[in-house]
Amino acid sequence: KAGVTQTPRYLIKTRGQQVTLSCSPISGHRSVSWYQQTPGQGLQFLFEYFSETQRNKGNFPGRFSGRQFSNSRSEMNVSTLELGDSALYLCASSLVGGDTQYFGPGTRLTVL
Amino acid sequence: AQSVTQPDIHITVSEGASLELRCNYSYGATPYLFWYVQSPGQGLQLLLKYFSGDTLVQGIKGFEAEFKRSQSSFNLRKPSVHWSDAAEYFCAVGAEYTGNQFYFGTGTSLTVIP
Repeated sequence: KAGVTQTPRYLIKTRGQQVTLSCSPISGHRSVSWYQQTPGQGLQFLFEYFSETQRNKGNFPGRFSGRQFSNSRSEMNVSTLELGDSALYLCASSLVGGDTQYFGPGTRLTVL
Repeated sequence: AQSVTQPDIHITVSEGASLELRCNYSYGATPYLFWYVQSPGQGLQLLLKYFSGDTLVQGIKGFEAEFKRSQSSFNLRKPSVHWSDAAEYFCAVGAEYTGNQFYFGTGTSLTVIP
């Protein structure tokens, strides 16, 4: 089976712009979660989608949003980018919630 | 509150030596426990997991971990380290009722000396 894929792998944006990241889960997996990884804060949970519904949300501002499509693919959007949004954004998929999560390679976002 | 502590920020071992990475958790329920490894610029790869049953679990690449409920610990071990094991290691905790909201430790960076 193909693993979790994320596109694009690298992004450079400027402050104030918005960005959309994409994640394709492992075939058959219905749960997709997003994490932000930074050197200072480590890995922090953003949100989880299951069957097109947001099921859990971490402690991030409303500028961070996401959605899931009927084929379980997911996108996350960050609006009005700030310098502090520079991070590695990781997507993970699992069969169901609370199950083992398998991570993609991440999207490296740099905000200038 | 749920939390995961990895007390060792950085560990250096010689190739062939044994390794133990520590992980302590605080969780209000029976936890699911995981160890992941991350190479520079890469995503996280699952090494092993504990859901229930035998408290000593085997993983990939020769790693094992032991769940000790009394100590709230889930330490990762390897009897003989290889140079390719140099990476960042993360302990994570979750539970069925929290869905996929995993809590991660801050990671332990492993350097292997030839």
